[in-house]
Amino acid sequence: DSGVTQTPKHLITATGQRVTLRCSPRSGDLSVYWYQQSLDQGLQFLIQYYNGEERAKGNILERFSAQQFPDLHSELNLSSLELGDSALYFCASSVAGRLPLHFGNGTRLTVT
Amino acid sequence: DAKTTQPNSMESNEEEPVHLPCNHSTISGTDYIHWYRQLPSQGPEYVIHGLTSNVNNRMASLAIAEDRKSSTLILHRATLRDAAVYYCILRDHFGNEKLTFGTGTRLTIIP
Repeated sequence: DSGVTQTPKHLITATGQRVTLRCSPRSGDLSVYWYQQSLDQGLQFLIQYYNGEERAKGNILERFSAQQFPDLHSELNLSSLELGDSALYFCASSVAGRLPLHFGNGTRLTVT
Repeated sequence: DAKTTQPNSMESNEEEPVHLPCNHSTISGTDYIHWYRQLPSQGPEYVIHGLTSNVNNRMASLAIAEDRKSSTLILHRATLRDAAVYYCILRDHFGNEKLTFGTGTRLTIIP
């Protein structure tokens, strides 16, 4: 158990909808990272937050947004969903922005 | 971050050592070599990392070539639970700590 909690585990929704994925980092970790894993793209870095502030941005679509709250949990919002957004979404956390990263077990999103 | 090259897949017999290679010919002096693995239906987990010297921990050993252009992750006695995708990742010590994952090596353990 990495200590990183992601909810929900599974999510099935229709195209055009909006969903929110939630991540609770390990106790004491200030940094949160979001990754997308699809069959054809592998693990892609989306975005990183450190103590509530955006710190790094990867290949995150404009339809996607994230935030980290004062209690350090993070949410990834995906809107105007398309079939191609179906993927596993992983959250990871680290202590004060240092390695290693600790990953949750992901949210599997299916867009129909 | 500099690029790494790993075999797409490898097989090994249970209870035998496994050597997972990684080439990183463009590694810079401040790049650390990190290994993560992803078991089926789980998120990636940290295995080991190193800079120049060989490293050991309870999970594995990391052997780094003298010129640092390649490294090998060694599982001393593979079990069925070691079946996973293993990722070799370079990360600049002075860069952002986000990790860039490649395609990794899918390790199959034969009972």
